[in-house]
Amino acid sequence: RKEVEQDPGPFNVPEGATVAFNCTYSNSASQSFFWYRQDCRKEPKLLMSVYSSGNEDGRFTAQLNRASQYISLLIRDSKLSDSATYLCVVKVDSNYQLIWGAGTKLIIKP
Amino acid sequence: EAQVTQNPRYLITVTGKKLTVTCSQNMNHEYMSWYRQDPGLGLRQIYYSMNVEVTDKGDVPEGYKVSRKEKRNFPLILESPSPNQTSLYFCASSLPGTGRNEQYFGPGTRLTVT
Repeated sequence: RKEVEQDPGPFNVPEGATVAFNCTYSNSASQSFFWYRQDCRKEPKLLMSVYSSGNEDGRFTAQLNRASQYISLLIRDSKLSDSATYLCVVKVDSNYQLIWGAGTKLIIKP
Repeated sequence: EAQVTQNPRYLITVTGKKLTVTCSQNMNHEYMSWYRQDPGLGLRQIYYSMNVEVTDKGDVPEGYKVSRKEKRNFPLILESPSPNQTSLYFCASSLPGTGRNEQYFGPGTRLTVT
């Protein structure tokens, strides 16, 4: 079992719709969680950190469920520019290594 | 402009020919790391460095070397490249201990070993 698992997609979603995807992690000692966005053939960039109480940044909402060991990302009113691969990242704070999911590909269609 | 630079961006080489991929950051970050990205596998860490002269193996260090003689530079060395090292490589830097640990990535180096 991979340490961090994501549905690879692609998720094909019409513009304006709401889309959500999850990421599960296996190490219960994981303490920090992030969503990164990666455009095709480009470098990953931090989208948002995920806080224990959940957090929102504009159209994006991130949630953490420690009991079930998953994090989620919700995108409301999706835009064409949201098309990208979304990478889930988990960190066990005892060291500085980040464990990356393979990513979920999102395609927003007009 | 705060950035991480990598060179070369694209490289095609032959098995066994030593190569170096350079990485430089201008943000005075202590922490730097190298990743490779392969389809379906996500980013895998090759080596990381907590500070000058301090380097450690990541998850897939075999076949790679690094050095950290200066804070800003963290070159990746392939002494004898093999076809299974064909991949997309990213260098990243960050400030450790911030809690959020945002990684800033270079633009990537696409390496093909024939």
